[in-house]
Amino acid sequence: QQQVKQSPQSLIVQKGGISIINCAYENTAFDYFPWYQQFPGKGPALLIAIRPDVSEKKEGRFTISFNKSAKQFSLHIMDSQPGDSATYFCAAGGNFGNEKLTFGTGTRLTIIP
Amino acid sequence: EAQVTQNPRYLITVTGKKLTVTCSQNMNHEYMSWYRQDPGLGLRQIYYSMNVEVTDKGDVPEGYKVSRKEKRNFPLILESPSPNQTSLYFCASSLRRGKETQYFGPGTRLLVL
Repeated sequence: QQQVKQSPQSLIVQKGGISIINCAYENTAFDYFPWYQQFPGKGPALLIAIRPDVSEKKEGRFTISFNKSAKQFSLHIMDSQPGDSATYFCAAGGNFGNEKLTFGTGTRLTIIP
Repeated sequence: EAQVTQNPRYLITVTGKKLTVTCSQNMNHEYMSWYRQDPGLGLRQIYYSMNVEVTDKGDVPEGYKVSRKEKRNFPLILESPSPNQTSLYFCASSLRRGKETQYFGPGTRLLVL
């Protein structure tokens, strides 16, 4: 049972453009939504995270937008750079007896010059 | 340097030959887990441990064993590997279970022939 659906599976964006990755969740008890970034040959690393008390969180060129009523959240990468080329995973977690993170299926992002 | 280490990084084995992948963290984290990463399926949790001598099944535990005799170590054991266990494996740790940053190891790529 996939509780976090992520799209697209792959994405190609031109340098300087905006990259957008979307995730949708089913369990309304989720209240923690991190994004992890994974470079080839490396393990995932936390990029940015949001809790549902805010609709948006921005860190540099990276922004999470959160829509609680639609049960969706997305990652926006502004002014995308070749160094942003990586696989991105969204995840969801919460305090409801099973606090593990549930990950999306990942998006392979490629930024072309 | 705070880190999660895994060994080996690459492993080729044959069906039925027992193997162990080691994982160690130096951050005094209570929570450790194992994931496997497969194309199109994202990161799926195999087993987790909330503390020494406390382990439990994740989403895909079949064919795997774990132990947590020391806080820093959390080895993954495949007693009789099969080709469907060919995958990329990650160990991760966090201070506690729940809404905490997970720190991932560099990964172990396993091929079972």
